[in-house]
Amino acid sequence: NAGVTQTPKFRVLKTGQSMTLLCAQDMNHEYMYWYRQDPGMGLRLIHYSVGEGTTAKGEVPDGYNVSRLKKQNFLLGLESAAPSQTSVYFCASRYRDGQETQYFGPGTRLLVL
Amino acid sequence: GENVEQHPSTLSVQEGDSAVIKCTYSDSASNYFPWYKQELGKGPQLIIDIRSNVGEKKDQRIAVTLNKTAKHFSLHITETQPEDSAVYFCAASIKWAAGNKLTFGGGTRVLVKP
Repeated sequence: NAGVTQTPKFRVLKTGQSMTLLCAQDMNHEYMYWYRQDPGMGLRLIHYSVGEGTTAKGEVPDGYNVSRLKKQNFLLGLESAAPSQTSVYFCASRYRDGQETQYFGPGTRLLVL
Repeated sequence: GENVEQHPSTLSVQEGDSAVIKCTYSDSASNYFPWYKQELGKGPQLIIDIRSNVGEKKDQRIAVTLNKTAKHFSLHITETQPEDSAVYFCAASIKWAAGNKLTFGGGTRVLVKP
């Protein structure tokens, strides 16, 4: 199993540009999450999904959209990137209720100029 | 909402010594407390966790303790080794609108000096 994979690993955007971050998991997990990591602030939840076709807002959803059209994929979109969205983005997945462990991907480093 | 405070933010120890990281949480409904280790350039990886019905859990050189009354939990690493150098995050889990949600502490950068 590859576990949780993320693409791309690194990206530079100009303010106002759009992009999509892809997260894929091959563990048949129901739950998937997108976090952002900023220095000294730990990981903050952006959006999450409890199953194929469902999404929900986390703590810091503004400026981001997500989609979960397939169970194994969770996409994070930035429609109009802003410098405040410069961060490291992590995707995570969890099997189901009662199985609390979240498995993280390697991260995507995004720089918005 | 839930708030998790983690201390210290950095910790430097001599190889072989012990390291202790402490976290406090605000929501008494939290029922699951994992600890993650993040090495440079990688995603966080679960190293140990504890549920609210348990006071202590140990796995080789690492242990976690939970005090529900005081709403704090701690990670203890004994006989530290250079490979223990990393950033450690605590988290607390509560039921949310749809499923459980993890709230993370700010992280502790641990440096083990040989």
